[in-house]
Amino acid sequence: SYEVTQPPSVSVSPGQTASITCSGDQLGNKYVWWSYQRPGQSPVLLIYQDNKRPSGIPERFSGSNSGNTATLTISGSQPLDEADYYCQTWDIDSGVVFGGGTKLTVL
Amino acid sequence: QVQLQESGPGLVKPSQTLSLTCSVSGDSISSDRYYWSWVRQPAGKGLEWIGRIHVSGTTKYNPSLKSRVTISLDTSKNQFSLNLNSVTVADTAVYYCARDRGSGYGMDVWGLGTTVTVSS
Repeated sequence: SYEVTQPPSVSVSPGQTASITCSGDQLGNKYVWWSYQRPGQSPVLLIYQDNKRPSGIPERFSGSNSGNTATLTISGSQPLDEADYYCQTWDIDSGVVFGGGTKLTVL
Repeated sequence: QVQLQESGPGLVKPSQTLSLTCSVSGDSISSDRYYWSWVRQPAGKGLEWIGRIHVSGTTKYNPSLKSRVTISLDTSKNQFSLNLNSVTVADTAVYYCARDRGSGYGMDVWGLGTTVTVSS
């Protein structure tokens, strides 16, 4: 089955740029989307088709995907960005595949 | 505004069948633009995709759950359902339903989730 791997945690200082990676075999040949989830809340779509933002998502959130790694970049990190971030992709055999999630801490 | 709402028993006994329903408002599950998905999350852990269904009847399930899962549509009620049989304590989780446009668009609308505990 297909798997994607994320770092369990990432820390960033307020105002700085955070990068969260998502790695998988030939991932650049697949679409990747990202969601975030705050404690006790439902996930929210953040990035789709590698680098597109749904309406209402600030421009400081961006995505890229090439080779074996997709990256979510958060510019000008704010305390309210603290959440769990999940990458996802589609595999013809496995269906929707979630990464294990990355806990972002802004401190 | 599209809204999804999960419903079903909060407690299921081991070896029995977990059955949940997702009621959709503000959109029609008969639309061929979307898939209708189930995702779960054990306490303190990550998200796990269970499977999805399209109005055409096409289904796709997580291979690790495929032998126990059935997802179905009720277009007359604008609902879709999840059945997971032979449950164990490992199936205890928050269960979410979600709308998925496929083709890399991701799951753009989620329900609030419902907690299901498997216990005797």
